[in-house]
Amino acid sequence: KAGVTQTPRYLIKTRGQQVTLSCSPISGHRSVSWYQQTPGQGLQFLFEYFSETQRNKGNFPGRFSGRQFSNSRSEMNVSTLELGDSALYLCASTLTATPGETQYFGPGTRLLVL
Amino acid sequence: AQSVTQLDSQVPVFEEAPVELRCNYSSSVSVYLFWYVQYPNQGLQLLLKYLSGSTLVKGINGFEAEFNKSQTSFHLRKPSVHISDTAEYFCAVTLTGGFKTIFGAGTRLFVKA
Repeated sequence: KAGVTQTPRYLIKTRGQQVTLSCSPISGHRSVSWYQQTPGQGLQFLFEYFSETQRNKGNFPGRFSGRQFSNSRSEMNVSTLELGDSALYLCASTLTATPGETQYFGPGTRLLVL
Repeated sequence: AQSVTQLDSQVPVFEEAPVELRCNYSSSVSVYLFWYVQYPNQGLQLLLKYLSGSTLVKGINGFEAEFNKSQTSFHLRKPSVHISDTAEYFCAVTLTGGFKTIFGAGTRLFVKA
């Protein structure tokens, strides 16, 4: 079974631009969570989607948004990029997002904002 | 609110030596506990998790962890490490009734020959 895939793997943008990152979960998984990983803040939860509905959201500004499609693929969008948005963005999928369920992570998209 | 503290940011150790990576958590309600490993340029991979039952949990690659409710700890151990264990290790908690996962800051394990 193929793992979680994320595209693109690397991205360079400039301040003020917007970016869209994509995540394809493991086949059959219905929940996708997004995390931002930085050296200073570690892994921080962005949001979680299940069956096209956002169920949980972390403490990030409204510039960060996401959505999930009927095939469970998910995208996250960051508008008006700031230098501090440079990070590794990870997505993780689970079958049903039942508490205690194992999350399967993709390799991440490394975003550099100049 | 829940929080996770990994007490060591870096742990250097010689090959074949034992290692313990420490994790403490804070929560007023029941949690599930996890250890994940991240190898360079890769995503996170589950090592082991505690949901209920025996407090000693065995995971992949020879790792094990012990849940101590009174000390709110979930330390990760391996009796003999290999060079290939060099990676970053994350402790995490999830509320038993919730979906959001809180991760610790990570511990970088560096195994020396």
